Amino acid sequence: DIQMTQSPSTLSASVGDRVTITCRASQSISSWLAWYQQKPGKAPNLLIYDASTLESGVPSRFSGSGSETEFTLTISSLQPDDLATYYCQQYNSYPYTFGQGTKLEIK
Amino acid sequence: QVQLVESGGGVVQAGRSLRLSCVASGFTFSSYGINWVRQAPGKGLEWVADISYDGSNQHYADSVKGRFTISRDNPKKTLYLQMNSLSAEDTAVYYCTRDSIAVRPGWFDPWGQGTLVSVSS
Repeated sequence: DIQMTQSPSTLSASVGDRVTITCRASQSISSWLAWYQQKPGKAPNLLIYDASTLESGVPSRFSGSGSETEFTLTISSLQPDDLATYYCQQYNSYPYTFGQGTKLEIK
Repeated sequence: QVQLVESGGGVVQAGRSLRLSCVASGFTFSSYGINWVRQAPGKGLEWVADISYDGSNQHYADSVKGRFTISRDNPKKTLYLQMNSLSAEDTAVYYCTRDSIAVRPGWFDPWGQGTLVSVSS
Protein backbone atom coordinates (compact mmCIF):
# COMPACT_ATOMS: atom_id res chain seq x y z
CA ASP A 1 0.00 0.00 0.00
CA ILE A 2 1.11 3.59 -0.65
CA GLN A 3 1.67 5.54 2.55
CA MET A 4 0.93 9.27 2.61
CA THR A 5 2.72 11.40 5.19
CA GLN A 6 1.71 15.01 5.87
CA SER A 7 3.71 17.67 7.66
CA PRO A 8 3.26 19.40 9.90
CA SER A 9 0.53 17.66 11.90
CA THR A 10 -0.52 20.96 13.44
CA LEU A 11 0.06 24.46 12.15
CA SER A 12 -0.71 27.78 13.80
CA ALA A 13 -0.72 30.90 11.63
CA SER A 14 -2.11 34.42 11.53
CA VAL A 15 -4.69 35.90 9.20
CA GLY A 16 -2.94 37.04 6.04
CA ASP A 17 -0.05 34.56 6.37
CA ARG A 18 1.09 32.33 3.54
CA VAL A 19 0.67 28.72 4.66
CA THR A 20 2.19 25.59 3.15
CA ILE A 21 1.34 21.97 3.93
CA THR A 22 3.46 19.12 2.58
CA CYS A 23 2.36 15.62 1.61
CA ARG A 24 4.85 12.87 0.76
CA ALA A 25 4.06 9.55 -0.88
CA SER A 26 6.00 6.36 -0.13
CA GLN A 27 6.31 5.74 -3.89
CA SER A 28 5.65 7.70 -7.04
CA ILE A 29 2.01 8.55 -7.65
CA SER A 30 2.58 10.79 -10.67
CA SER A 31 0.04 13.63 -10.19
CA TRP A 32 -2.77 11.46 -8.84
CA LEU A 33 -3.33 13.45 -5.69
CA ALA A 34 -6.26 15.32 -4.16
CA TRP A 35 -6.56 17.72 -1.23
CA TYR A 36 -9.58 18.05 1.05
CA GLN A 37 -10.61 20.51 3.74
CA GLN A 38 -12.61 19.28 6.72
CA LYS A 39 -14.14 21.78 9.09
CA PRO A 40 -15.06 20.66 12.62
CA GLY A 41 -18.15 18.44 12.65
CA LYS A 42 -18.52 18.49 8.87
CA ALA A 43 -17.81 16.18 5.97
CA PRO A 44 -14.64 16.77 3.94
CA ASN A 45 -14.75 19.14 0.97
CA LEU A 46 -12.70 18.73 -2.20
CA LEU A 47 -10.20 21.53 -2.85
CA ILE A 48 -7.76 20.28 -5.49
CA TYR A 49 -7.36 17.23 -7.72
CA ASP A 50 -4.67 16.00 -10.11
CA ALA A 51 -2.21 17.69 -7.72
CA SER A 52 -2.81 21.22 -9.00
CA THR A 53 -6.31 21.60 -10.50
CA LEU A 54 -8.52 23.82 -8.37
CA GLU A 55 -12.05 22.48 -7.91
CA SER A 56 -14.77 24.81 -9.17
CA GLY A 57 -15.93 27.24 -6.50
CA VAL A 58 -12.82 26.92 -4.34
CA PRO A 59 -11.19 30.30 -3.55
CA SER A 60 -8.14 31.10 -5.63
CA ARG A 61 -5.99 31.58 -2.52
CA PHE A 62 -5.72 27.77 -2.46
CA SER A 63 -3.20 26.16 -4.80
CA GLY A 64 -1.50 22.80 -5.17
CA SER A 65 1.77 21.71 -6.69
CA GLY A 66 4.12 18.76 -6.93
CA SER A 67 4.46 15.39 -8.62
CA GLU A 68 5.87 11.91 -8.08
CA THR A 69 6.37 11.76 -4.30
CA GLU A 70 6.26 15.32 -2.97
CA PHE A 71 3.29 17.67 -2.99
CA THR A 72 2.28 20.93 -1.39
CA LEU A 73 -0.95 22.73 -0.60
CA THR A 74 -0.54 26.49 -0.27
CA ILE A 75 -2.94 29.07 1.09
CA SER A 76 -1.64 32.41 -0.19
CA SER A 77 -3.35 34.62 2.40
CA LEU A 78 -4.90 32.82 5.36
CA GLN A 79 -8.50 33.72 6.20
CA PRO A 80 -10.44 32.98 9.41
CA ASP A 81 -12.73 30.63 7.45
CA ASP A 82 -9.71 28.42 6.68
CA LEU A 83 -9.74 26.96 10.20
CA ALA A 84 -9.91 23.24 9.40
CA THR A 85 -8.01 19.99 9.03
CA TYR A 86 -6.51 19.33 5.60
CA TYR A 87 -5.97 15.88 4.08
CA CYS A 88 -4.14 14.66 1.00
CA GLN A 89 -5.28 11.50 -0.80
CA GLN A 90 -3.61 9.39 -3.47
CA TYR A 91 -5.58 7.68 -6.20
CA ASN A 92 -2.68 6.23 -8.16
CA SER A 93 -3.53 2.71 -7.02
CA TYR A 94 -5.79 0.73 -4.73
CA PRO A 95 -6.21 0.88 -1.84
CA TYR A 96 -6.65 4.63 -1.95
CA THR A 97 -4.93 6.21 1.03
CA PHE A 98 -5.10 9.50 2.91
CA GLY A 99 -2.49 11.43 4.81
CA GLN A 100 -2.99 11.65 8.56
CA GLY A 101 -4.17 15.25 8.33
CA THR A 102 -2.85 18.73 9.15
CA LYS A 103 -4.83 20.74 11.66
CA LEU A 104 -4.66 24.44 10.87
CA GLU A 105 -5.20 26.83 13.74
CA ILE A 106 -5.63 30.57 13.49
CA LYS A 107 -3.50 32.61 15.91
CA GLN B 1 -28.69 19.78 -6.08
CA VAL B 2 -26.33 16.81 -5.91
CA GLN B 3 -26.88 15.05 -2.61
CA LEU B 4 -25.93 11.86 -0.81
CA VAL B 5 -27.75 10.83 2.38
CA GLU B 6 -26.49 7.96 4.52
CA SER B 7 -28.51 5.95 7.01
CA GLY B 8 -28.34 2.72 8.97
CA GLY B 9 -25.75 3.60 11.57
CA GLY B 10 -26.19 2.86 15.26
CA VAL B 11 -24.86 0.88 18.19
CA VAL B 12 -24.12 -2.78 17.53
CA GLN B 13 -22.41 -5.49 19.53
CA ALA B 14 -19.04 -6.83 18.47
CA GLY B 15 -19.35 -9.76 16.11
CA ARG B 16 -22.74 -8.67 14.78
CA SER B 17 -23.69 -7.21 11.40
CA LEU B 18 -25.03 -3.90 10.13
CA ARG B 19 -26.03 -2.58 6.73
CA LEU B 20 -25.56 1.03 5.75
CA SER B 21 -27.44 2.73 2.93
CA CYS B 22 -26.74 5.86 0.90
CA VAL B 23 -29.46 7.42 -1.22
CA ALA B 24 -28.41 9.69 -4.08
CA SER B 25 -30.25 12.55 -5.77
CA GLY B 26 -29.55 15.36 -8.20
CA PHE B 27 -27.36 13.40 -10.64
CA THR B 28 -27.38 10.30 -12.85
CA PHE B 29 -26.50 7.74 -10.18
CA SER B 30 -25.87 4.94 -12.67
CA SER B 31 -23.02 6.90 -14.31
CA TYR B 32 -20.75 7.28 -11.29
CA GLY B 33 -18.57 5.15 -9.11
CA ILE B 34 -19.29 5.54 -5.40
CA ASN B 35 -17.10 5.09 -2.34
CA TRP B 36 -17.34 4.57 1.41
CA VAL B 37 -14.83 6.46 3.55
CA ARG B 38 -14.79 6.25 7.34
CA GLN B 39 -13.41 8.34 10.18
CA ALA B 40 -12.87 6.96 13.66
CA PRO B 41 -13.58 9.42 16.50
CA GLY B 42 -10.84 12.04 16.59
CA LYS B 43 -8.90 10.32 13.81
CA GLY B 44 -8.20 10.80 10.12
CA LEU B 45 -9.94 9.58 6.99
CA GLU B 46 -9.76 5.96 5.84
CA TRP B 47 -10.99 4.82 2.43
CA VAL B 48 -13.08 1.65 2.86
CA ALA B 49 -14.40 0.50 -0.51
CA ASP B 50 -15.62 1.56 -3.92
CA ILE B 51 -17.91 0.20 -6.60
CA SER B 52 -18.00 0.99 -10.29
CA TYR B 53 -20.91 2.75 -11.97
CA ASP B 54 -22.53 -0.53 -13.03
CA GLY B 55 -21.61 -2.56 -9.98
CA SER B 56 -19.27 -4.86 -11.91
CA ASN B 57 -16.11 -3.93 -10.01
CA GLN B 58 -15.44 -3.44 -6.32
CA HIS B 59 -12.30 -2.73 -4.31
CA TYR B 60 -11.73 -2.88 -0.57
CA ALA B 61 -9.29 -1.74 2.07
CA ASP B 62 -7.36 -4.62 3.60
CA SER B 63 -8.88 -3.82 6.98
CA VAL B 64 -12.39 -4.74 5.79
CA LYS B 65 -11.76 -7.25 3.01
CA GLY B 66 -13.75 -10.43 3.55
CA ARG B 67 -16.02 -8.79 6.14
CA PHE B 68 -17.62 -5.86 4.27
CA THR B 69 -19.48 -5.95 0.97
CA ILE B 70 -20.31 -2.91 -1.14
CA SER B 71 -23.23 -3.09 -3.55
CA ARG B 72 -25.63 -0.79 -5.39
CA ASP B 73 -29.15 -0.70 -6.78
CA ASN B 74 -29.12 1.75 -9.67
CA PRO B 75 -32.91 1.95 -10.23
CA LYS B 76 -33.27 2.82 -6.53
CA LYS B 77 -30.27 5.19 -6.66
CA THR B 78 -28.98 3.52 -3.52
CA LEU B 79 -25.56 2.34 -2.36
CA TYR B 80 -25.11 -0.23 0.39
CA LEU B 81 -22.37 -1.38 2.74
CA GLN B 82 -22.96 -4.74 4.40
CA MET B 83 -20.70 -4.97 7.43
CA ASN B 84 -20.19 -8.36 9.10
CA SER B 85 -18.07 -9.51 12.04
CA LEU B 86 -17.85 -5.99 13.40
CA SER B 87 -15.20 -5.07 15.96
CA ALA B 88 -14.44 -2.00 18.05
CA GLU B 89 -11.94 -0.91 15.37
CA ASP B 90 -14.87 -0.40 12.98
CA THR B 91 -16.35 2.33 15.17
CA ALA B 92 -16.44 5.43 12.97
CA VAL B 93 -18.50 7.89 11.00
CA TYR B 94 -19.10 6.33 7.60
CA TYR B 95 -19.31 8.71 4.64
CA CYS B 96 -20.72 7.95 1.23
CA THR B 97 -18.91 9.91 -1.48
CA ARG B 98 -19.08 10.03 -5.26
CA ASP B 99 -16.28 9.90 -7.78
CA SER B 100 -16.11 13.54 -8.81
CA ILE B 101 -16.08 12.85 -12.54
CA ALA B 102 -18.00 9.98 -14.09
CA VAL B 103 -15.23 8.68 -16.35
CA ARG B 104 -12.34 9.21 -13.94
CA PRO B 105 -12.47 7.49 -10.58
CA GLY B 106 -10.14 8.62 -7.87
CA TRP B 107 -11.12 11.83 -6.14
CA PHE B 108 -14.33 12.46 -4.29
CA ASP B 109 -17.06 15.05 -4.48
CA PRO B 110 -19.62 15.44 -3.03
CA TRP B 111 -19.77 13.74 0.36
CA GLY B 112 -22.76 12.78 2.45
CA GLN B 113 -23.19 13.98 6.01
CA GLY B 114 -22.08 10.64 7.42
CA THR B 115 -23.64 8.00 9.66
CA LEU B 116 -22.10 6.91 12.96
CA VAL B 117 -21.43 3.25 13.67
CA SER B 118 -20.51 2.37 17.26
CA VAL B 119 -19.41 -1.17 18.02
CA SER B 120 -19.66 -2.15 21.66
CA SER B 121 -17.71 -4.97 23.22
